[in-house]
Amino acid sequence: DAKTTQPNSMESNEEEPVHLPCNHSTISGTDYIHWYRQLPSQGPEYVIHGLTSNVNNRMASLAIAEDRKSSTLILHRATLRDAAVYYCILSVDNFNKFYFGSGTKLNVKP
Amino acid sequence: GAGVSQTPSNKVTEKGKYVELRCDPISGHTALYWYRQSLGQGPEFLIYFQGTGAADDSGLPNDRFFAVRPEGSVSTLKIQRTERGDSAVYLCASSLTLVGNEQFFGPGTRLTVL
Repeated sequence: DAKTTQPNSMESNEEEPVHLPCNHSTISGTDYIHWYRQLPSQGPEYVIHGLTSNVNNRMASLAIAEDRKSSTLILHRATLRDAAVYYCILSVDNFNKFYFGSGTKLNVKP
Repeated sequence: GAGVSQTPSNKVTEKGKYVELRCDPISGHTALYWYRQSLGQGPEFLIYFQGTGAADDSGLPNDRFFAVRPEGSVSTLKIQRTERGDSAVYLCASSLTLVGNEQFFGPGTRLTVL
C-alpha cells in the first residue's frame, strides 16, 4: 500500500494561513497526490490534487517537493468551516484507488 | 445537479442477518468506489467499478462481502451473515473516469450490527 504520514492534529487561528504537511517517501513516478477533507458526519470532500507541479485552486494550494517525497497543503486564510480531518492520499498506478490513512485533524480557533 | 446518494442512511441489523446497501452515483460517472470507515479511522478501500465490472475488489475483507453494478450506474454492496465487526460507515464515491479525477462521496450508510 502506498503510505503517507501526517501529524495527528494541528491547530490554527481563524484568518491565519495553515500549512498541513504530508510525507510520502515511497511515492512512485505515476502516483498522484490528492488531498481530501472530511467534516463531521459527512463523506470526504475533494480539496486539491497534483502530480509534480504546485497547484492552486479556489480552496487551497498544494506545494510538492522537488523529489515528490513530501507535500504541503496550504489554506491561505483558515475559517471555522475549515475545521475537519484532512487526508493526504496517493493514488496507485495512475488510478484513483485511495489509501486514506488517519489524516490530520485541524482545529481552527476563533 | 444531484450528488452521490446512499440508502439507507442508517441500518441496524442483528448478527447473522443479510444486508444490502445502495449507492446512486452522479449521472455519467463511469467509476464507482466503495469504502468502509470505522470510528476514528480514515476510509478503507473495498472495491471499485469501471462501468459494470469490478476493476479491483482486493479490499473486500472476506467472501461475505459482495458488490454489484449490473447496469453501470447504481451499485449495491451486499453483506451476508453480518458480524458485529462489520459495524461501520460505508461510503460510496463516483468519478467521471478512473484516472486522475476527483471522487465525489456520498454521505454514507451507518451500519450497526447488534
